Amino acid sequence: EAGVVQSPRYKIIEKKQPVAFWCNPISGHNTLYWYRQNLGQGPELLIRYENEEAVDDSQLPKDRFSAERLKGVDSTLKIQPAELGDSAVYLCASSSPGTAAYEQYFGPGTRLTVT
Amino acid sequence: GQNIDQPTEMTATEGAIVQINCTYQTSGFNGLFWYQQHAGEAPTFLSYNVLDGLEEKGRFSSFLSRSKGYSYLLLKELQMKDSASYLCAVRDINYQLIWGAGTKLIIKP
Repeated sequence: EAGVVQSPRYKIIEKKQPVAFWCNPISGHNTLYWYRQNLGQGPELLIRYENEEAVDDSQLPKDRFSAERLKGVDSTLKIQPAELGDSAVYLCASSSPGTAAYEQYFGPGTRLTVT
Repeated sequence: GQNIDQPTEMTATEGAIVQINCTYQTSGFNGLFWYQQHAGEAPTFLSYNVLDGLEEKGRFSSFLSRSKGYSYLLLKELQMKDSASYLCAVRDINYQLIWGAGTKLIIKP
């Protein structure tokens, strides 16, 4: 079974430039999460989707961040314009209520560096 | 507010046993997770506890006491590949995962 796929793996951009991250969850997983993780910290939830509906985006900085999951499968997270403080690893995860623990499975992440 | 505390760093010897503690204060409780994260990699699921007691899975065991807001992850027969960060996370009343900052475990030969 294929895991969560993310691209790109690494991205270096100058501040004020836009950037987009893509995620394809595990097949059949209807819940998709975007997290941001800074070095030495746990993941911080940005947005959670149930199918194509964003059910928790309270921590998404909506002035510059946007996300979509149009067909309830893959998803895109965008930052425009990027700031120096956005440098972090952006993780996508998915889960399914069909598992006993409803545990989340993570993709390899995108390491963003804003210069 | 919601809070999860775990030690920042621990050191142990190859072949030994180590216990990583986690205490939590959250709005409601719908399960506690432990994840392993090697440097530069994504977190991977290790264990899940929703009832009090010990869950054993090979060399790894996880314990939960809901009344004390406390859990630990026990790693036996440590191997060098166990060097990683171990993240404790609690699922709250809204089914959102609240994450600790992680414990960096260093294994020495």
